[in-house]
Amino acid sequence: EVQLVQSGAEVKEPGESLKISCKGSGYTFTSYWIAWVRQMPGRGLECVGIIYPGDSDTRYNPSFQGQVTISAHNSVSTAYLQWSTLKASDTAMYFCARIKTGATDYFDSWGQGTLVTVAS
Amino acid sequence: DIQMTQSPSSLSASVGDRVTITCRASQDISNSLAWYQQKPGKAPKLLLYGASRLESGVPSRFSGSGSGTDYTLTISSLQPEDFATYYCQHYYSTQYTFGQGTKLEIK
Repeated sequence: EVQLVQSGAEVKEPGESLKISCKGSGYTFTSYWIAWVRQMPGRGLECVGIIYPGDSDTRYNPSFQGQVTISAHNSVSTAYLQWSTLKASDTAMYFCARIKTGATDYFDSWGQGTLVTVAS
Repeated sequence: DIQMTQSPSSLSASVGDRVTITCRASQDISNSLAWYQQKPGKAPKLLLYGASRLESGVPSRFSGSGSGTDYTLTISSLQPEDFATYYCQHYYSTQYTFGQGTKLEIK
């Protein structure tokens, strides 16, 4: 069974750094793209960016370029989303999702979400 | 960039009703469309992909259709567990775009 398990909720102050994680199991981690998806309170879904763990190819939604860093550590089958300087506007639920590629791309498995709260 | 517009943004219906949600793309997306269901506090769940292909394990009361720029998600007979928010999603050139969502509420 494919599973993506994310790290727990975080409460941070503006200006702090943060790295959240997404551990994959039940499939070959290096063979599938992983996406990070943001959902701000009461809002819809936005794709932050994607990474292919096989070669670390990483692509960002232009709206998030320079604001976050996506990485992966294949030996522990884990993808990461990190911020160097958090802002209050980063407060959101963040999901990771596995991407199924082919004639069309879609997210076939999702993590449970990590709630990030940034407040002073 | 391709924009995805869902309608309606919210919808009230009763158990047993037939419900249709529409997703319109700003240009032809050639059936490159998926639908997701999200319940409060939970991760989205894949329902359909390729516009009309039902994901394994998803009840057959869910169906998808459409072509070109216009696509629909239909629930043939609403069940209590179907009250949730639904999103369409398109992929193009490494960008994954979601519709703004349709909240389906109990009448």
